[in-house]
Amino acid sequence: NAGVTQTPKFQVLKTGQSMTLQCAQDMNHNSMYWYRQDPGMGLRLIYYSASEGTTDKGEVPNGYNVSRLNKREFSLRLESAAPSQTSVYFCASSERTGATWGYTFGSGTRLTVV
Amino acid sequence: DQQVKQNSPSLSVQEGRISILNCDYTNSMFDYFLWYKKYPAEGPTFLISISSIKDKNEDGRFTVFLNKSAKHLSLHIVPSQPGDSAVYFCAASGGSYNTDKLIFGTGTRLQVFP
Repeated sequence: NAGVTQTPKFQVLKTGQSMTLQCAQDMNHNSMYWYRQDPGMGLRLIYYSASEGTTDKGEVPNGYNVSRLNKREFSLRLESAAPSQTSVYFCASSERTGATWGYTFGSGTRLTVV
Repeated sequence: DQQVKQNSPSLSVQEGRISILNCDYTNSMFDYFLWYKKYPAEGPTFLISISSIKDKNEDGRFTVFLNKSAKHLSLHIVPSQPGDSAVYFCAASGGSYNTDKLIFGTGTRLQVFP
């Protein structure tokens, strides 16, 4: 029972390089999300996907793109990395099937841009 | 504009005592609230939630209280244990937002000492 799997766990990029963060869930959830966590800022939504084939911007989308490849996978791409994108990135998924619901998070990707 | 606020960055409590973590929100349309717990190098995990139709929800040692008139919720942990040492995030959803989108607070670091 893997839940939400993120790869890689750690990455160091040089300014201007590109990379894709991968996320996959095995819970058959419709909704998926990308958040970033920064000290003193909490968790901020970058992009989300309410269902396969749809994506929408969150609070801090600039500098990122996403792809909802299929129901399981939701990737986050940095086209030209900047030091301000140094952060811990979390992917999550959810499905509202009852009165009590919440996100299941992956273990995170720690990204450093130098 | 921080719609979900956790004004205490940290809290230190002795083992066996009660821990009270607080959260305030500004959007009166929020109708569902959650608490997440996060250990270092791991993703946040769901702890407990409450709907706006209730003012209290209990799960073992954890109780969440909601005061809608004050736009305030709190998490009580009784008795506190060293394993409870973690960062706690409150989150809210509902209203004019996509009802599956969670808005997170900035987190409170709880330390439980022997």
